[in-house]
Amino acid sequence: AQSVTQLDSHVSVSEGTPVLLRCNYSSSYSPSLFWYVQHPNKGLQLLLKYTSAATLVKGINGFEAEFKKSETSFHLTKPSAHMSDAAEYFCVVSFYNQGGKLIFGQGTELSVKP
Amino acid sequence: DGGITQSPKYLFRKEGQNVTLSCEQNLNHDAMYWYRQDPGQGLRLIYYSQIVNDFQKGDIAEGYSVSREKKESFPLTVTSAQKNPTAFYLCASKVGTEAFFGQGTRLTVV
Repeated sequence: AQSVTQLDSHVSVSEGTPVLLRCNYSSSYSPSLFWYVQHPNKGLQLLLKYTSAATLVKGINGFEAEFKKSETSFHLTKPSAHMSDAAEYFCVVSFYNQGGKLIFGQGTELSVKP
Repeated sequence: DGGITQSPKYLFRKEGQNVTLSCEQNLNHDAMYWYRQDPGQGLRLIYYSQIVNDFQKGDIAEGYSVSREKKESFPLTVTSAQKNPTAFYLCASKVGTEAFFGQGTRLTVV
């Protein structure tokens, strides 16, 4: 079965320190992978996406993610957290063989302390 | 500006009533989706439509209905059969591999 797992439901960092949000997927096929961010009571905004080009993907607001096929991972990182990064983050997988259906992880809530 | 518009932003429903959530897009996308979001559960797919006049059930379709009479519109009706409708509902449209989301409707049963 194809699935996506976000390993942490909540991550807390101090402002200015690195951010790591972890995501693993399970699939027999090559997926497209995405990270979305959601601020309270808002829709989802695309941070970055991987679609079989470069394995290190750079996104908006200083975020980046690395696709590691051997580890079936797509972890999201940022060198220095900002207070405005506090939000919920979703790792999302799309499989071509399922008509492009999006499968969402459970979400990771990021808190940033001053 | 192109995008997806959901209305209303907040909606209150009495038990036993049907309510309809609006989703309109001007992105000219063929595919549209409805998701339900509950705390700690991510987003779950309710219904999706890949083309006008056609739609399929997602993972949690019971108690919901949709129509797709126009490319730009994909309304969701929450029927009285949905036992626990209080949630945040998100509409999305998709082109290629990228999905675009509306700002959501928060439905509360009172």
